[in-house]
Amino acid sequence: AQSVAQPEDQVNVAEGNPLTVKCTYSVSGNPYLFWYVQYPNRGLQFLLKYITGDNLVKGSYGFEAEFNKSQTSFHLKKPSALVSDSALYFCAVRDRGGTYKYIFGTGTRLKVLA
Amino acid sequence: EAGVAQSPRYKIIEKRQSVAFWCNPISGHATLYWYQQILGQGPKLLIQFQNNGVVDDSQLPKDRFSAERLKGVDSTLKIQPAKLEDSAVYLCASSQRGDEQFFGPGTRLTVL
Repeated sequence: AQSVAQPEDQVNVAEGNPLTVKCTYSVSGNPYLFWYVQYPNRGLQFLLKYITGDNLVKGSYGFEAEFNKSQTSFHLKKPSALVSDSALYFCAVRDRGGTYKYIFGTGTRLKVLA
Repeated sequence: EAGVAQSPRYKIIEKRQSVAFWCNPISGHATLYWYQQILGQGPKLLIQFQNNGVVDDSQLPKDRFSAERLKGVDSTLKIQPAKLEDSAVYLCASSQRGDEQFFGPGTRLTVL
């Protein structure tokens, strides 16, 4: 069965510093991997995805994520954090079958401190 | 391109009452998802439609929850009767061929 884990409930980082939000997954075969962001009182927004190809994926708002097959990880990164990046971040995995079934992680709250 | 529409945005009901939520996905998106998100947690899939057929409803409490997607477009999620633990945000999302999902703003349900 597929699963996804976000080991940190909260990540604090100072503005201007690099940030990393961790995600590991378990799925048979090669996964589709996604990151979504949720700002307060709003629905989830798509940030980026890994389907195939380059292991480093670039997405919206300057975020990027690195797919590491040997470590089954897909960590979200940004070189320089902004206060406005403070939000709830969700990692999701989807298998490559025809059901298009997603599993979301439990979420990591990112706090960027001024 | 219009986004995913949901209504109502907020609903407050007494326990044992019934409630219905409506979702209109992005035009052309065949896959529609309903999620329950309890405060501070990740979205939990309730039901997934591919066109008007159900792909996965394994986590839908079928004794009280029901959902339909008539003509493969709009969808309605119903709870009858509601319990206190149903208080949550109900999110609707759609996608094209299982690619990234586009989420609606959600319906915040409070059961008193």
